[in-house]
Order: sequence, then structure tokens, then C-alpha cells
Amino acid sequence: GESVGLHLPTLSVQEGDNSIINCAYSNSASDYFIWYKQESGKGPQFIIDIRSNMDKRQGQRVTVLLNKTVKHLSLQIAATQPGDSAVYFCANFTGNQFYFGTGTSLTVIP
Amino acid sequence: GAGVSQSPSNKVTEKGKDVELRCDPISGHTALYWYRQSLGQGLEFLIYFQGNSAPDKSGLPSDRFSAERTGGSVSTLTIQRTQQEDSAVYLCASSLDGAKQYFGPGTRLTVT
Repeated sequence: GESVGLHLPTLSVQEGDNSIINCAYSNSASDYFIWYKQESGKGPQFIIDIRSNMDKRQGQRVTVLLNKTVKHLSLQIAATQPGDSAVYFCANFTGNQFYFGTGTSLTVIP
Repeated sequence: GAGVSQSPSNKVTEKGKDVELRCDPISGHTALYWYRQSLGQGLEFLIYFQGNSAPDKSGLPSDRFSAERTGGSVSTLTIQRTQQEDSAVYLCASSLDGAKQYFGPGTRLTVT
């Protein structure tokens, strides 16, 4: 079956530093990937997505990198701010279903 | 525009009672998903509606769980004879293309 995992369950960074959150997936047929941010008591919020025909995509302060060879996905947040503190989920779309990781809890230290 | 809304935001019920959770998707979104999120866990897929097609119920954990989507819009997730292990946050998401999903704030269900 499909599995989506995160390399670290928690991550603490100093305000202003860059954050990198990693994710691994197992199904090489996955063709679409999303990163979500979930703040306490709220539903997941879309951050950025990437399709399998790309290896990099940039948004505002965020970059997603996809390495299909090793089935690895990462989210980079530049100049991390206190408001970035949340749980970050990766998800991949395979067939007609999404598979979600358990999340990495990012804490930004002022 | 309005996002996905869910009601109630919190629900406390006694073991054995039935509960109904409601989801109002974004207008025009043909796809609707229900997920369950237990404390500190990832999202567990429950059920998926796409247009007028038969729903994908493969994630429903037992026959106590059911969901309907009326008129291709509002959806109701029903849990019968609730058990304590049903306590979780129930999240609804809708999508225009079946891929990029927009989530509601969730309903926190506590079964006592």
C-alpha cells in the first residue's frame, strides 16, 4: 500500500532562518503532490503543489522540491516567521486518492 | 469568496448516540471528501464524492459510518451508535478538479 512519511516529527528554527521539511512517498505512480499547513484548531490550508513533471516550484517564501528518483519531497520556507509555526503535511495523489503524511510540527523561536 | 464550512464546530455526545456532521463545500466544487484526524495523527480518508458518480466509500471504518451528498452540494456524515474511539476531528474538503482540495475548519467530536 501507499505510505507517506516525514523524516522528523518536530522541527524548531530561529526566526529569520530557513526551514526545510522533508517527506518520503512510496508509490512511484504518484503524479501530484501538495503541502498543507495546519494551525492549531483549524483545517489544513493549501500552501503549494507540484506535479510529477516538475522538480521545483516556488511560491511566496516557499519552495517545493521533488526528487522522483528517491521519491522524496521537501518544503523550504525562507526567512521563517512566528506565524509559520504549525503542523505541515505532505500529500500525494495516486490514482484517485490522496495519501497524507502524519505531519511535522514546526516551532519558530523568536 | 466563502470557503468550506462545517457544523457544528464541536460536538460532545454520549456513547451509543447517533451524530450528524455537516459540510457545505465551496460553490461549484464537484468533489467532496471526508477525513478523520485523531490527535497527533495524519488524515484518514473516509469517503469521496465526485459529481453524480457513486461515492468511494472505501475509507469508512465500519458500517456505523455513512455519508450523503444532496444535490451535489451539502454533505452529511452520520455516525451511528458512537463509540469512544470515534472521538476525533472530522474534516471536509472540496475540490473543483479532484486534486487541489480546500479544507473546512473541521468538527471536533468527543464521545463520552
